[in-house]
Amino acid sequence: EEQLVESGGGLVKPGGSLRLSCAGSGFTFKNAWMNWVRQAPGKGLEWVGRIKHNADGGTPDYAAPVKGRFTISRDDSKDTLYLQMNTLQTEDTAVYYCAADPRGNWVGALLYWGRGTLVTVSS
Amino acid sequence: QSVLTQPPSVSGTPGERVTISCSGSSSNIGTNYVYWYQQLPGTAPKLLIYRNNQRPSGVPDRFSGSKSGTSASLAVKGLRSDDEADYYCATWDGGLSGSYVFGSGTKVTVV
Repeated sequence: EEQLVESGGGLVKPGGSLRLSCAGSGFTFKNAWMNWVRQAPGKGLEWVGRIKHNADGGTPDYAAPVKGRFTISRDDSKDTLYLQMNTLQTEDTAVYYCAADPRGNWVGALLYWGRGTLVTVSS
Repeated sequence: QSVLTQPPSVSGTPGERVTISCSGSSSNIGTNYVYWYQQLPGTAPKLLIYRNNQRPSGVPDRFSGSKSGTSASLAVKGLRSDDEADYYCATWDGGLSGSYVFGSGTKVTVV
């Protein structure tokens, strides 16, 4: 069974940093484009960014609100996705989901999702 | 403010057919596939429709997607109480910086 498990969330002060991890299993992680999506309390879904698989260059793309502050990386030897978040702001408070686009016939579809990890930015 | 516009809420009675609209532009829906996600209360989103109108295995054929020009829609027929959820359209937006964008979301209520 395909599974994604996020970890690393918690309470952080404004201006602080946090690193989230997402461990994948049950599918070919190295072939997937991996995404981060967040959801602020009571709000809708917001795409944070993604990282392509290495065959497509392994490059990341970011949403405008997080560009320059967040960094997405992956370690295919560990089937793990990361989100390094710096200079955190109160508006970054959200549940952060990782989601996998397995490519092939699913190109562009976020087929597998984790349960999310809560990040709270507050003084 | 999302670049994809959805109605905030839609309601229907059991067995009824409801539709959710998703309006975009030439830089997103007009040139890219549309995806639909269902988010049941307190859970992670789930892919419902991909490539405009394809259903992953396990998704009932009561759910169907369509796209025309810069708009898309999700239809749910034979509405059931367990269809109560938030529904989001999504696509790639090839605008200035390029990003995956979600619609504002539609809450479906079964009355």
